[in-house]
Amino acid sequence: RKEVEQDPGPFNVPEGATVAFNCTYSNSASQSFFWYRQDCRKEPKLLMSVYSSGNEDGRFTAQLNRASQYISLLIRDSKLSDSATYLCVVNRGFQKLVFGTGTRLLVSP
Amino acid sequence: SAVISQKPSRDICQRGTSLTIQCQVDSQVTMMFWYRQQPGQSLTLIATANQGSEATYESGFVIDKFPISRPNLTFSTLTVSNMSPEDSSIYLCSVEEAGRSDGYTFGSGTRLTVV
Repeated sequence: RKEVEQDPGPFNVPEGATVAFNCTYSNSASQSFFWYRQDCRKEPKLLMSVYSSGNEDGRFTAQLNRASQYISLLIRDSKLSDSATYLCVVNRGFQKLVFGTGTRLLVSP
Repeated sequence: SAVISQKPSRDICQRGTSLTIQCQVDSQVTMMFWYRQQPGQSLTLIATANQGSEATYESGFVIDKFPISRPNLTFSTLTVSNMSPEDSSIYLCSVEEAGRSDGYTFGSGTRLTVV
């Protein structure tokens, strides 16, 4: 079993749709959590950190459930520019980041 | 956030040769990290580079294959030695900025093809 698991998708949604991605992690000692965005042939870029209290940044909302070891990302009012791969990332301590394989999102007109 | 310059951006190399990738940061950083992203895969940590000490390698990666230098707080190199086609991948450096815990910044990556 992978330490960080994501549905690879692709998720094909129309503009304006709401889409949710889920991620589970296996190491209960994991300390911090992130969503990164990676465009084709580009480096990953931090989208947002994820906290137990929830974290909202404009159209993006991230949630963490430590008891279930589950992380989510919700994107509202999808834009064409949201098309990318979304990486669930877990810091399991000592600055060791573990990356999920990513969920691909395609937003169409 | 830190700005990272990574060179080369891409290269095509003959098997059996070595390639050194450079990572320059515009500010002093405590820790630098080297990742590999194989085709269609996510990122895997190769090693952590600390200034003034030997790099710490993850399981499956060894110093003889991936020697790393960290001569100062703004620069690091990763060498991919005795390359084979299986080493074809994207190699990325990343930094953790001192005093920040909200994620890490990545270089633009080096796309390596071994023929």
